[in-house]
Amino acid sequence: EVQLVESGGGLVQPGGSLRLSCAVSGFTFSDHYIDWLRQAPGKGLEWVGRSRNKANGYTTEYPASVKGRFTVSRDDSKNSLFLQMNSLKMEDTAVYYCARSVVGLGNFDSWGQGTLVTVSS
Amino acid sequence: DIQMTQSPSSLSASVGDRVTITCRASQGIRNDLGWYQQKPGKAPKRLIYGASSLQSGVPSRFSGSGSGTEFTLTISSLQPEDFATYYCLQHNTYPYTFGQGTKLEIK
Repeated sequence: EVQLVESGGGLVQPGGSLRLSCAVSGFTFSDHYIDWLRQAPGKGLEWVGRSRNKANGYTTEYPASVKGRFTVSRDDSKNSLFLQMNSLKMEDTAVYYCARSVVGLGNFDSWGQGTLVTVSS
Repeated sequence: DIQMTQSPSSLSASVGDRVTITCRASQGIRNDLGWYQQKPGKAPKRLIYGASSLQSGVPSRFSGSGSGTEFTLTISSLQPEDFATYYCLQHNTYPYTFGQGTKLEIK
């Protein structure tokens, strides 16, 4: 069974940092693109970063809203994806999800349950 | 960035109704579009990929169509478990962008 489990959310002050983790099981981690997405309270979905698979050199992509502040990385030995978030702003408050994509079969076919990040003083 | 305009933003319907949700892209995205269902407090669930391919395990009352800039999600006969919020996603061009969502409510 494909599973993605996020952790690491919590309360952080503006300007602070936080590192989220996404532990996966049930599939070959290195074969897949894995992304981070978020949803602010009561709002829609926003894509915040991607790690391509091993065949594509684990390269990354980000939207302008987080580029330079957020970094996606992965540890294949631990079947885990990470999101390092720096210089956090109040507008980064959201539930953060990780999601798997299958090359050639669209994006985000499986999602984790999410972890809440609250940026507040 | 590609803007995805979803309509309507909310919809009231009854069990058994046929419902259509539309998504328009600000530029052509071929068929690089997915549809997602989200229930309160839960992660989104993919229903459709490649604009018209049904995700495994999703009931056949869900269907998608379109290409280029205009796409539709149709639910042929609403069931009680279908009342949720629906989002389209374009993954043709970075940054990937979602429609603003359609909240489907019971009439």
